[in-house]
Amino acid sequence: DVKVTQSSRYLVKRTGEKVFLECVQDMDHENMFWYRQDPGLGLRLIYFSYDVKMKEKGDIPEGYSVSREKKERFSLILESASTNQTSMYLCAIQTGTGNTIYFGEGSWLTVV
Amino acid sequence: GENVEQHPSTLSVQEGDSAVIKCTYSDSASNYFPWYKQELGKRPQLIIDIRSNVGEKKDQRIAVTLNKTAKHFSLHITETQPEDSAVYFCAASSRTGGGADGLTFGKGTHLIIQP
Repeated sequence: DVKVTQSSRYLVKRTGEKVFLECVQDMDHENMFWYRQDPGLGLRLIYFSYDVKMKEKGDIPEGYSVSREKKERFSLILESASTNQTSMYLCAIQTGTGNTIYFGEGSWLTVV
Repeated sequence: GENVEQHPSTLSVQEGDSAVIKCTYSDSASNYFPWYKQELGKRPQLIIDIRSNVGEKKDQRIAVTLNKTAKHFSLHITETQPEDSAVYFCAASSRTGGGADGLTFGKGTHLIIQP
């Protein structure tokens, strides 16, 4: 089974704080993604990475950055959290077989 | 980039009836179309997918159809059951076999199965 682990399930942070969301996979997949999910807006791609230290902007990268120092770990960083970043964040990996994408459990972030 | 439209946003059907959710996409190069089901508080999970060389695919009570000419694809659920209640997302991707474009998602359909 594909395993994508998001260690922080529920976080409450203050405006202006730096926030790290971690995602770990255990199957040596190259492609990893961060999505944001909001009611009525569906899932929107923030950033993705296709290899260690490689990253590409998705549809809504503003206010976010990412880090991939090791193949198994892909981190989403909010440099200065704002209330409009309150959302559910989903990490995903893409298997080598076609385009199948599997999601982690999600991280619920509230910025107050 | 790709744009995916999904309709309806909410669908209520009687248990045992069929449900149909429709999506359109904009990029004619797209060739992979998965559907995800998301139950309340859980992650989206892949339930079925179709690739552009196939017009229809079926898995028990679930089927997906694809019309490349019209650039639309649909999810069909027959004999609906209470456990089918969830939010369903369609998606489209332009690459296969290891490309890292990710997926562009529709905004979701909340399917409600009435007892």
